[in-house]
Amino acid sequence: AQSVTQPDIHITVSEGASLELRCNYSYGATPYLFWYVQSPGQGLQLLLKYFSGDTLVQGIKGFEAEFKRSQSSFNLRKPSVHWSDAAEYFCAVGETSGTYKYIFGTGTRLKVLA
Amino acid sequence: EAQVTQNPRYLITVTGKKLTVTCSQNMNHEYMSWYRQDPGLGLRQIYYSMNVEVTDKGDVPEGYKVSRKEKRNFPLILESPSPNQTSLYFCASSLNGSPLHFGNGTRLTVT
Repeated sequence: AQSVTQPDIHITVSEGASLELRCNYSYGATPYLFWYVQSPGQGLQLLLKYFSGDTLVQGIKGFEAEFKRSQSSFNLRKPSVHWSDAAEYFCAVGETSGTYKYIFGTGTRLKVLA
Repeated sequence: EAQVTQNPRYLITVTGKKLTVTCSQNMNHEYMSWYRQDPGLGLRQIYYSMNVEVTDKGDVPEGYKVSRKEKRNFPLILESPSPNQTSLYFCASSLNGSPLHFGNGTRLTVT
């Protein structure tokens, strides 16, 4: 069955430090891949997406993610975290079989220390 | 402004009292979906619709109903709410295969 795993429930980093959030997926083919961010009391906002092509994708707010087919991973990175990045981050897989179903990970809550 | 609008934002109700959460999008998207978000469980899909009059069950459809009579609207109906349906609900829409656009959520409490 298709699944998305975000192994880190909570991550704490200092402001200005680098960040990597992990995401692994299980899917029979190469899916569509997404990262979303959810600030408190808000809906989910798309950070970036991967459909095909270049495996390093750039998103908004200085985030990037790298698709590694061999590892079934799509990790999110940011070189220097800002206090405003504190939020919950969700990795998601979009099925490419025609159902367009989206499967979400359980999320990683990021805390940023001043 | 392109958006997905859910109403209400907050709802407190009692067990067994039918309720409807509305969802409307102004982007002419074919695909619409409902999710519930619970701590530690992420977002789980309740129902989705790939076009008008086409709906299908997601992963947790029990206790919910939906309808898609118009392209822009996709209401979520709880015929007889129970406390285990207390959750944060999100409606989302997309052009088939493209990223989802989310509403701001409806926090439902069933006592």
